[in-house]
Amino acid sequence: RKEVEQDPGPFNVPEGATVAFNCTYSNSASQSFFWYRQDCRKEPKLLMSVYSSGNEDGRFTAQLNRASQYISLLIRDSKLSDSATYLCVVNPIGQNFVFGPGTRLSVLP
Amino acid sequence: EADIYQTPRYLVIGTGKKITLECSQTMGHDKMYWYQQDPGMELHLIHYSYGVNSTEKGDLSSESTVSRIRTEHFPLTLESARPSHTSQYLCASSEAGSDTEAFFGQGTRLTVV
Repeated sequence: RKEVEQDPGPFNVPEGATVAFNCTYSNSASQSFFWYRQDCRKEPKLLMSVYSSGNEDGRFTAQLNRASQYISLLIRDSKLSDSATYLCVVNPIGQNFVFGPGTRLSVLP
Repeated sequence: EADIYQTPRYLVIGTGKKITLECSQTMGHDKMYWYQQDPGMELHLIHYSYGVNSTEKGDLSSESTVSRIRTEHFPLTLESARPSHTSQYLCASSEAGSDTEAFFGQGTRLTVV
């Protein structure tokens, strides 16, 4: 079993749709959590950190459930420019970042 | 924008050549990483460093080697390139501690012919 698992995707949604991505992690020592966005043939870039209390940044909302070892990302009112691969990343204490395989999103006009 | 730079951005080279991919960061980060990623596939950690004179192999076996003589510089070398080395190589850095994000360079797309 992979340390970080994500929805396999791809997700094809119309503009304006709400889309939710799920991620689970197996290492209970994971200390910090992130969502990264990676455009085709580009480097990953931080979308948002994920905090225990949940956090929101504009149309994006991230949630963390430590008991279930589950992370989510909600995108509201999706735009064409949201099309990308979304990577769930965990950082266990004393270890390196663990990147999930990513979920590809295509927002269609 | 992250202050981490990779050169070259694109490289096409013949089999058997020695190559060095450069990575530099100006953020004073102790931790640096090299990842390998094929198109549409996952990131794989091939090397990492926790500071000067510290280098470790990552999760994915690689024929490449790295060095960390200066904090800001983490070059990756392939002594004899092969077509199987064709891939994108991404360098990243982060502060010490487990609550910090990783910053990525723009990557080097390597093609070995």
